Amino acid sequence: DARVTQTPRHKVTEMGQEVTMRCQPILGHNTVFWYRQTMMQGLELLAYFRNRAPLDDSGMPKDRFSAEMPDATLATLKIQPSEPRDSAVYFCASGGRDTQYFGPGTRLTVL
Amino acid sequence: GIQVEQSPPDLILQEGANSTLRCNFSDSVNNLQWFHQNPWGQLINLFYIPSGTKQNGRLSATTVATERYSLLYISSSQTTDSGVYFCAVVGGTSYGKLTFGQGTILTVHP
Repeated sequence: DARVTQTPRHKVTEMGQEVTMRCQPILGHNTVFWYRQTMMQGLELLAYFRNRAPLDDSGMPKDRFSAEMPDATLATLKIQPSEPRDSAVYFCASGGRDTQYFGPGTRLTVL
Repeated sequence: GIQVEQSPPDLILQEGANSTLRCNFSDSVNNLQWFHQNPWGQLINLFYIPSGTKQNGRLSATTVATERYSLLYISSSQTTDSGVYFCAVVGGTSYGKLTFGQGTILTVHP
């Protein structure tokens, strides 16, 4: 049963610390997306990649967020330094033009 | 950018009832998906339906692209249908870039 996996599932950290979230997309999917979900803003697209190349990262705060895809089986989202307003659930999704499949999310709390 | 509005924002049902959820969007779309977010937070893809009608068990969906809306029907609702239902669209030539509505919170009581 192919699925998107994300680690860690939960992360509590202190303001100023670096946070790295990892995603393994479904094998064969050529597009990977990072979303953030908060009560106030709902689900927002942060960045996405096609064939490992970044296509759009306009939803990300550039000064502290970075997204990479070092190989076809791993996507990473880093926050440095983290701030309390970054507290949210971060979802990774993979797919193609039609359907996106979401991972279980990383619940991040920045104290 | 494209705007997505869902209604109603909240819906409370008794088990066995039917319901209709609506999604309006502000521009032409090349992709429309319905998702269910269960109480554990998992987002599950229900339908890919940029136009036409599809059915999957007790759920069905219809998109009328020319009138810029989509409907999700849930028949004979069950408590496991509870959660948040999201409509998400990709507008124009924006490859894969989903814009989500704010969701409909569905609660089904036994």
